[in-house]
Amino acid sequence: ETGVTQSPTHLIKTRGQQVTLRCSSQSGHNTVSWYQQALGQGPQFIFQYYREEENGRGNFPPRFSGLQFPNYSSELNVNALELDDSALYLCASSDGPLYSNQPQHFGDGTRLSIL
Amino acid sequence: QKEVEQDPGPLSVPEGAIVSLNCTYSNSAFQYFMWYRQYSRKGPELLMYTYSSGNKEDGRFTAQVDKSSKYISLFIRDSQPSDSATYLCAMRRPTGNQFYFGTGTSLTVIP
Repeated sequence: ETGVTQSPTHLIKTRGQQVTLRCSSQSGHNTVSWYQQALGQGPQFIFQYYREEENGRGNFPPRFSGLQFPNYSSELNVNALELDDSALYLCASSDGPLYSNQPQHFGDGTRLSIL
Repeated sequence: QKEVEQDPGPLSVPEGAIVSLNCTYSNSAFQYFMWYRQYSRKGPELLMYTYSSGNKEDGRFTAQVDKSSKYISLFIRDSQPSDSATYLCAMRRPTGNQFYFGTGTSLTVIP
């Protein structure tokens, strides 16, 4: 069974640029959630995709957007990068949305640094 | 006020000690409670998943929920150096799609 994989592992960008982060969900999982984890903080929920549709969003501005593909892999796009966007971005997959009580399995994240 | 509060530590204990990790929360609608372990440069790993009040045991780990006090705990018995990690509590509402995480407690178990 292949776990959740994220790419790239590290990324350096400058303010104002755009970035795309990628996530391959665990085999058989149809739900992907994205989180932002700043240094020394817990993960903050960005949004969730269930069967290619956005299925819940946290308190993040519209410049954070996403996609889920028919194979349930997902992308997180961030436009107009700001210094505060520097963080570890985590992807978690599950076999169903959170209210179905299916456990989430996390990838090891993409560490994004904004200069 | 944050919805979930967790003492960041750091916490340092000798090998074999009993460790107690705690979180408090403000939203009485939370009914599902989780504990995750996060090693450095890794994603969180689910340790315990409990519903409503009560205790749940799994090997050396015991999760405890007290909804009346809005307080949850994770106990680690016979702690090992391999338990050294950051421990995150998380919780959600019954119909919610969002996990609310604490800031994490950094634990070091000294051989």
